[in-house]
Amino acid sequence: DTGVSQDPRHKITKRGQNVTFRCDPISEHNRLYWYRQTLGQGPEFLTYFQNEAQLEKSRLLSDRFSAERPKGSFSTLEIQRTEQGDSAMYLCASSHGARGGSGANVLTFGAGSRLTVL
Amino acid sequence: AQKVTQAQTEISVVEKEDVTLDCVYETRDTTYYLFWYKQPPSGELVFLIRRNSFDEQNEISGRYSWNFQKSTSSFNFTITASQVVDSAVYFCALSEAPGGSYIPTFGRGTSLIVHP
Repeated sequence: DTGVSQDPRHKITKRGQNVTFRCDPISEHNRLYWYRQTLGQGPEFLTYFQNEAQLEKSRLLSDRFSAERPKGSFSTLEIQRTEQGDSAMYLCASSHGARGGSGANVLTFGAGSRLTVL
Repeated sequence: AQKVTQAQTEISVVEKEDVTLDCVYETRDTTYYLFWYKQPPSGELVFLIRRNSFDEQNEISGRYSWNFQKSTSSFNFTITASQVVDSAVYFCALSEAPGGSYIPTFGRGTSLIVHP
């Protein structure tokens, strides 16, 4: 178990370009979450998956954002036509889905992917 | 809607002082979980503790202790005899169970600086 991996760790792009982030969760975790964190703020929820199903999306997730989790393993978060306001740290986390179990809802976070849009 | 308030933006202490980080939450659910996470300068959030809404017993783990009071909707975190390594941003989080989603909502965080 190597924890939650995110790639790339840093991405600098020009406004209008598309970017994609990848997250590899802990293998036995069936839930995967994407959060966004800006300087001085707490993580803000974007979306989450239970296995391959995307069960909830935040209003923060505009139509330029899309997330997938094919086969319930790794996940990708794509941002199309990036804007300067998209500059942030994108955090991926995973957890057990067992309701009420000892590990339920305890998120294990990756190190994040920092996006800078010029 | 759930909400978490961490009114202290930054706290600065000298090593060996005790420090308490405040967390106040809002929820309409009777079933919920409360968490504390630590984000050191390296950036990765690390889980510290989870409490469920039916267990108000305070908890102590080494120099860390947590005080959960439903009457005041608070879940405060105390570090005893602080150390420089405790310097980090600490986040309180709340997850409710509407439909079983349990998605954590985080507060804005409290930056703790421990000076040697």
